[in-house]
Amino acid sequence: QVQLVESGGGVVQPGRSLRLTCAASGFTFSNYAMHWVRQAPGKGLEWVAVISYDGRNKYYADSVKGRFTFSRDNSQNMLSLQVNNLRPEDTAVYYCAKGRGSSSPGNLLFDYWGQGTLVTVSS
Amino acid sequence: EIVMTQSPATLSVSPGERATLSCRASQSVSTNLAWYQQRPGQAPRLLIYDTSTRASGIPATFSGSGSGTEFTLTISSLQSEDFGVYYCQQYDKWPLTFGGGTKVEIK
Repeated sequence: QVQLVESGGGVVQPGRSLRLTCAASGFTFSNYAMHWVRQAPGKGLEWVAVISYDGRNKYYADSVKGRFTFSRDNSQNMLSLQVNNLRPEDTAVYYCAKGRGSSSPGNLLFDYWGQGTLVTVSS
Repeated sequence: EIVMTQSPATLSVSPGERATLSCRASQSVSTNLAWYQQRPGQAPRLLIYDTSTRASGIPATFSGSGSGTEFTLTISSLQSEDFGVYYCQQYDKWPLTFGGGTKVEIK
C-alpha cells in the first residue's frame, strides 16, 4: 500500500531554516509528480509546491517562492523541502502528497497524503 | 489566481440525511475539480476527481457534479464516519487552489 512519511518539523525562530523530508513506498515513485501542501493550525489547505516525476520541473506558490526548494531522489524514494528564511506565517502542518496521474492535469490532484509534520515558527 | 469559494461554511446534518455542499470558482476550471474529506486529526482523503469520478474505495453515497464555475458534492445518506471538513480543489490553472472548506457536523 502507498505510504508517505514526513519528518523534519519542529520549532524554529523566524529567519531560520529547516529541511523537511518525505519517505515514499508502495508505488513506483519515479513515475509520479509529488507535492507539498500545508495547513496552518485551524485553517484550510494551501498548496505549496510540486516537483515533476524526474525532478526537472518545479513550481511554487508565490508565498514561498525564493525561500523553499523542492527536490527528490528517485533512487531513494525520498522528497526534500528545504525551507529557508522562515516566517511566522509558515507555521503549519506540512503534508507531502502524491499526484494522482502520470501526466497533467491528473498529476495536479492528490490521491495519497502523508500524516504531516508540524513546523512552528516562533521567537 | 483562481479563488474557490465553498458554501455553507458549516452544515448541520442528522445521520441518514442528505448533504449538499457547494463550490464556486472565480473563473472556469472546466471539470478539473476535486473534493477531499478531512476528519479531525487526520490527513485529507481524496473523494472525487474530474468533478464526478469517485476515487478508489469511495462509496457510491458520494457524488459530484458541475462544470465551469459551479460544483456540488452530494452525500446521499450521512453516516457517522462522514462528518468532518470537505475541501474542493481546482487543478485547471496555476497556482493550485483550495476552497476554504465546509464543516459537516452532527445535528
